Amino acid sequence: GQQVMQIPQYQHVQEGEDFTTYCNSSTTLSNIQWYKQRPGGHPVFLIQLVKSGEVKKQKRLTFQFGEAKKNSSLHITATQTTDVGTYFCAGGLYTGGGNKLTFGTGTQLKVEL
Amino acid sequence: NAGVMQNPRHLVRRRGQEARLRCSPMKGHSHVYWYRQLPEEGLKFMVYLQKENIIDESGMPKERFSAEFPKEGPSILRIQQVVRGDSAAYFCASSDSIANTGELFFGEGSRLTVL
Repeated sequence: GQQVMQIPQYQHVQEGEDFTTYCNSSTTLSNIQWYKQRPGGHPVFLIQLVKSGEVKKQKRLTFQFGEAKKNSSLHITATQTTDVGTYFCAGGLYTGGGNKLTFGTGTQLKVEL
Repeated sequence: NAGVMQNPRHLVRRRGQEARLRCSPMKGHSHVYWYRQLPEEGLKFMVYLQKENIIDESGMPKERFSAEFPKEGPSILRIQQVVRGDSAAYFCASSDSIANTGELFFGEGSRLTVL
């Protein structure tokens, strides 16, 4: 079955440093979504990418979808303590049952002052 | 505009008892998904339902687990004869259309502890 892996599993940074998490799918995707989950909280949608090579930005966050639509990345510039949480990618595949999402293993980000 | 509502937020059961988790999707949403999350792990897909129909249950354990989304009322995830390994956070999510590849809106989760 489809697998979606993320690296690194954990990342500790000093406030102000940059952070990147990488997502790799075993199969070509229809789309990819990114979610953020704060400690003790629930996943919250950040963005969806659909096109090969697509790049989208949200303030300090930059999302990229690979040319082959099998990998993606999330880059945060100048991290802040509010960025703390676990970032999940979710690979989407169109099936008879709609857009089936397979969540990645997540990258847990800790930001220290 | 209420979001996805899940209850109970916390549930404690002894081994062998039944757990029932409820989920009311966002207003206007007719698609419901259940995910399980173990501590420090990712979200594992369990089941995808529309009103009165199970669309994809490929992630559901074959035994003891069942889900429904009746015409009226919330979606229910039922776990019979719970075991310690069932302890996890169970998240429900909803979306507004099968054709729309848009986001999933997650509830705050139901955290099941099996003693």
